Amino acid sequence: EVQLVESGGGLVQPGGSLRLSCAASGFPFTNYWMSWVRQAPGKGLEWMANINQDGGVKYYVESVKGRFTISRDNAKNALYLQMISLRAEDTAVYYCARIGYSSSCMDVWGQGTTVTVTS
Amino acid sequence: QSVLTQPPSVSAAPGQKVTISCSGSSSNIGNNYVYWYQQFPGTAPKLLIYDNNKRPSGIPDRFSGSKSGTSATLGITGLQTGDEADYYCGTWDSSLIAVLFGGGTKLTVL
Repeated sequence: EVQLVESGGGLVQPGGSLRLSCAASGFPFTNYWMSWVRQAPGKGLEWMANINQDGGVKYYVESVKGRFTISRDNAKNALYLQMISLRAEDTAVYYCARIGYSSSCMDVWGQGTTVTVTS
Repeated sequence: QSVLTQPPSVSAAPGQKVTISCSGSSSNIGNNYVYWYQQFPGTAPKLLIYDNNKRPSGIPDRFSGSKSGTSATLGITGLQTGDEADYYCGTWDSSLIAVLFGGGTKLTVL
């Protein structure tokens, strides 16, 4: 079964850091671009970042450049999102997603992990 | 304010048809594929339509997609109460070098 499972969310103070993980299974992880998408409470979907198959190409939404870093470990079938200098507005459910069919099409999603930034 | 514009809500009766629009520009919808996602409260989004008008395996043909110029449309026929959800369009923006999502449309089946 194709599956993505996020972990690493939690409660963090403003200015703090957190690393999210996404464990992939059931498909050849090294063949796919991967993505992080977040959803603030009661809001819509917001794309965060994409990474290519070997980790050499990364794209970010402007609002997180310099604060968030997407990476992957193909040996572990894992995707990561390192987040620093967190702000209250980063509070959201964070989803990892597989990019399939064509560029930027997210065909498989994880269940999400919740990040709450509060003092 | 999303770069891709969707109506906040649409509604129709069971059995009827509804369309959800997604408006963009030449740098996004006009020159890239459009995708549609369905999201039920508290759950992850699910891909409904890819490459403007293709359905992944398992998606009923009640769901359809189309694109014309800088706008795209999701159509749902034979509405069921189980279709009540939020629907998002998505695409790539070649100028922003970014993935874009519409603001989402809440479908109510009356």
